[in-house]
Amino acid sequence: RKEVEQDPGPFNVPEGATVAFNCTYSNSASQSFFWYRQDCRKEPKLLMSVYSSGNEDGRFTAQLNRASQYISLLIRDSKLSDSATYLCVVNTGGGADGLTFGKGTHLIIQP
Amino acid sequence: GAVVSQHPSWVICKSGTSVKIECRSLDFQATTMFWYRQFPKQSLMLMATSNEGSKATYEQGVEKDKFLINHASLTLSTLTVTSAHPEDSSFYICSPYSGVTGYEQYFGPGTRLTVT
Repeated sequence: RKEVEQDPGPFNVPEGATVAFNCTYSNSASQSFFWYRQDCRKEPKLLMSVYSSGNEDGRFTAQLNRASQYISLLIRDSKLSDSATYLCVVNTGGGADGLTFGKGTHLIIQP
Repeated sequence: GAVVSQHPSWVICKSGTSVKIECRSLDFQATTMFWYRQFPKQSLMLMATSNEGSKATYEQGVEKDKFLINHASLTLSTLTVTSAHPEDSSFYICSPYSGVTGYEQYFGPGTRLTVT
């Protein structure tokens, strides 16, 4: 079983739509959770951290369900510039342990 | 966010040669450096972790004699791919960690290595 699993997509959605991604992780000892965005041939960039209480940043909402070991990302009013690969990322220890990445979900926003 | 530079951005080399990749954290001191690689359509995979002044710790399946890591200072780490082969072609990304920023990590812009 893979440590962090995501649906690879691609998800093709029209501009302005709302789209959600899911991610599951296998290590119940995981402590911190993130969504990163990666553009083609670029490094990952932090989109948002994910907290147990859920958090929102503009059009983006992230939620964590520890009991189900499940993380979600919701994008509202999608823009063309949201087209990218979204990586679900988990840290099982403190910050000095490195990160475990999902393969990413590829999102394509269509005009 | 933190400023991280990585050089070269891309390199094409012949099989059997060695390639050195530099990673610099420009605005903070990196006590720890993570090196990742990403094959096409795959996730980033942690290769090794190095602490300044210490030997690197390699993940299972990563040959320490092939991927030489030097972390001699708090702002510079290098990864040398020795005797490169086509299967080493990948996107190599460094990620310095200061221990101060908590769990958030930043990444270098990556080095795309193609071995012919």
